[in-house]
Amino acid sequence: EDKVVQSPLSLVVHEGDTVTLNCSYEVTNFRSLLWYKQEKKAPTFLFMLTSSGIEKKSGRLSSILDKKELFSILNITATQTGDSAIYLCASSFYGGATNKLIFGTGTLLAVQP
Amino acid sequence: DAGITQSPRHKVTETGTPVTLRCHQTENHRYMYWYRQDPGHGLRLIHYSYGVKDTDKGEVSDGYSVSRSKTEDFLLTLESATSSQTSVYFCAISEAATDTQYFGPGTRLTVL
Repeated sequence: EDKVVQSPLSLVVHEGDTVTLNCSYEVTNFRSLLWYKQEKKAPTFLFMLTSSGIEKKSGRLSSILDKKELFSILNITATQTGDSAIYLCASSFYGGATNKLIFGTGTLLAVQP
Repeated sequence: DAGITQSPRHKVTETGTPVTLRCHQTENHRYMYWYRQDPGHGLRLIHYSYGVKDTDKGEVSDGYSVSRSKTEDFLLTLESATSSQTSVYFCAISEAATDTQYFGPGTRLTVL
């Protein structure tokens, strides 16, 4: 059965800390790994990773994929209270007429002042 | 933000009644998706569309039907709502099958 597992389930840090969120996957016909940020509304896209070992960066956020060990990490440096959210990991796989996404249950990050 | 709207944004209904949720996009994207989000389960795909009148089932399609009569609109229908369908429903769109999916604002549905 295809699955995506995220850890930790929740995390509380203080502003300025660096955090690492983990995502492991077991997916047939894997295509890519995606990260989304969800505050009290729709998930917003952060990264799509298709190649192993190539880091993607956007400001204080970065992510990397390891296709041999089947995992990805999302790093956030110098955290701010605005980083508080649920971070969702999803694996894209070929599923017929389109690529489908299977999501993990998310990591709830709380950044305290 | 991608041009995606969902209506209604909130709805309370009773068991056994039909419910239709609407997703409208202004991006002219070919692919559209309906997901539900529940605690402990994350986002799960209900149905998707790969063109006008072309739809297929996702992971949790039982009790749901969809229709897409024009590119910009994708409708999700609960023929006879049950309490287990209480959830937050998200629509998503993508330009190509391999592209990133972008999500709408969601509809919170409560079935009493």
